[in-house]
Amino acid sequence: EAGVTQFPSHSVIEKGQTVTLRCDPISGHDNLYWYRRVMGKEIKFLLHFVKESKQDESGMPNNRFLAERTGGTYSTLKVQPAELEDSGVYFCASSQWGSEQFFGPGTRLTVL
Amino acid sequence: AQSVTQPDIHITVSEGASLELRCNYSYGATPYLFWYVQSPGQGLQLLLKYFSGDTLVQGIKGFEAEFKRSQSSFNLRKPSVHWSDAAEYFCAVGAGSWGKLQFGAGTQVVVTP
Repeated sequence: EAGVTQFPSHSVIEKGQTVTLRCDPISGHDNLYWYRRVMGKEIKFLLHFVKESKQDESGMPNNRFLAERTGGTYSTLKVQPAELEDSGVYFCASSQWGSEQFFGPGTRLTVL
Repeated sequence: AQSVTQPDIHITVSEGASLELRCNYSYGATPYLFWYVQSPGQGLQLLLKYFSGDTLVQGIKGFEAEFKRSQSSFNLRKPSVHWSDAAEYFCAVGAGSWGKLQFGAGTQVVVTP
């Protein structure tokens, strides 16, 4: 069974540009999460989808971040416009109800 | 306020020696506790989890952790480390098995020959 996949693995953009990160969860997992690790800091929760609905978006830093989950399958996280402090590693995870979260390899975002 | 503390940012251990990674938490309710490992170029992999029951939990790769409610700790141990154990280790706490996780800052483990 395929694990959680994320695309791209790396992205380098300039301040003010837009970037879209994609996450494909494990098939059948209703729960999908986004986390972020800024350099030198801990991994922080961004938001949680249950199927296509946002269950908890308390960790989203500001309105420059927009997350969607089309049809309850894959999810995208768009940053528009990107700022320097958005640099970091963005992790996606998915889970079934009652099970642990399975993480993807992350997308490393660098904003210059 | 809820928090997870991993006091050791970096640990160096000799191959074959024992390893203990510390994790302390502050959580209002009964916590769900996890240890994840991230090897270079990989995603986070779950080593073990504690929800309830026996406070000594066995995980993959020969790791175990002990939940001590009185000390608010969930320390990770391995009796004999292998070079492949070099990685970053994260302790995490959640309100349930499926809710958001709060992570510690991570402990980088270096294994020397």
